[in-house]
Amino acid sequence: AQRVTQPEKLLSVFKGAPVELKCNYSYSGSPELFWYVQYSRQRLQLLLRHISRESIKGFTADLNKGETSFHLKKPFAQEEDSAMYYCALSAQETSGSRLTFGEGTQLTVNP
Amino acid sequence: DAGVTQSPTHLIKTRGQHVTLRCSPISGHKSVSWYQQVLGQGPQFIFQYYEKEERGRGNFPDRFSARQFPNYSSELNVNALLLGDSALYLCASSILDRALSGYTFGSGTRLTVV
Repeated sequence: AQRVTQPEKLLSVFKGAPVELKCNYSYSGSPELFWYVQYSRQRLQLLLRHISRESIKGFTADLNKGETSFHLKKPFAQEEDSAMYYCALSAQETSGSRLTFGEGTQLTVNP
Repeated sequence: DAGVTQSPTHLIKTRGQHVTLRCSPISGHKSVSWYQQVLGQGPQFIFQYYEKEERGRGNFPDRFSARQFPNYSSELNVNALLLGDSALYLCASSILDRALSGYTFGSGTRLTVV
């Protein structure tokens, strides 16, 4: 079975400060990792996926298989980054492609 | 494109009743997945359908069922409602039946069981 842990329910930083949202996973196979974001009064939306190795809105995330982590980072936080962030895992080996979500981290960027 | 549309947006039901939630995927998307999100928690997988076939089922009781129609829209049915079924029900669509293709979520149906 797979499991995703986001140890911080709440995270508050000041504008311009670096931010790191932690995500650890438990899965014995080859995982596909994602970060989803939900801005206030908006739908849950995909932010980035590990396989793309892309930077979206200044955010990056590196899959560390040794530490089973997929932390989300941004060097300079902006107020518009305030949102709920969910880390999610999909298992390649299972039929279909369910996402297992963490409980989420509410990020607040203060002016 | 209207995106993923779900109906109704809000619903209040009594314990023991039955409920049907509806989802229309983005045009061209053949996969629909359903998730339950209880307040304060992340979404939890219920079902995935692709090309009208069930591709996966989460750890939910048999009171939960779903189907996908030829136009790829989907229904989630819950029988014998319990108070614990109160949650936001999310529908997500994608082109393929793989998460890597990117899921697009609807705004959800807020179900309250009293």
